[in-house]
Amino acid sequence: DAGVIQSPRHEVTEMGQEVTLRCKLISGHNSLFWYRQTMMRGLELLIYFNNNVPIDDSGMPEDRFSAKMPNASFSTLKIQPSEPRDSAVYFCASSRKGRFHGYTFGSGTRLTVV
Amino acid sequence: AQSVTQLDSQVPVFEEAPVELRCNYSSSVSVYLFWYVQYPNQGLQLLLKYLSGSTLVKGINGFEAEFNKSQTSFHLRKPSVHISDTAEYFCAGVIQGAQKLVFGQGTRLTINP
Repeated sequence: DAGVIQSPRHEVTEMGQEVTLRCKLISGHNSLFWYRQTMMRGLELLIYFNNNVPIDDSGMPEDRFSAKMPNASFSTLKIQPSEPRDSAVYFCASSRKGRFHGYTFGSGTRLTVV
Repeated sequence: AQSVTQLDSQVPVFEEAPVELRCNYSSSVSVYLFWYVQYPNQGLQLLLKYLSGSTLVKGINGFEAEFNKSQTSFHLRKPSVHISDTAEYFCAGVIQGAQKLVFGQGTRLTINP
């Protein structure tokens, strides 16, 4: 079990550029959650998917953010155009089918927009 | 859980002292409860969970928590802390049957030598 894998671990980009964050779920997990963590706001749920279908995107800050799950094991979070206030650590987490046992988190992507 | 509250944003303790990190939840229905730990520059790692059964739950690294339904609490305890326990700790809850975890704001545990 390789765990939830996120890439890249660090991303530094200039304001206005497009940023794509990637997440690979654990095999056998069917729910995927994207979180953002900042000092000011703590952990915020941005969006989650169940069986590749977006269930709740009420946490997505604005239209500049979009997330996709093209297959059962992979997801992307895109920010276009990026702004300095998007600087944060972005985590994805997955949970398995059946009875809920909590989430398994990836190591996160630290995004810095300058 | 509709909400999860961690009562202390920071807890400083001396090495080898006991510690309790407090967590309260609000929910009108049955919940599952969790504690996660986040070491510096890492993701969140599951410490322990309460799903059902015994209200005293033991987790990794010598931590335990007790589910108290009447007080709607799920406090985390360790009898003797180590420098390596320095981290941020998150309490989280979910309504049974749902999938969306609600997290508390986190408690930063600092261990002083």
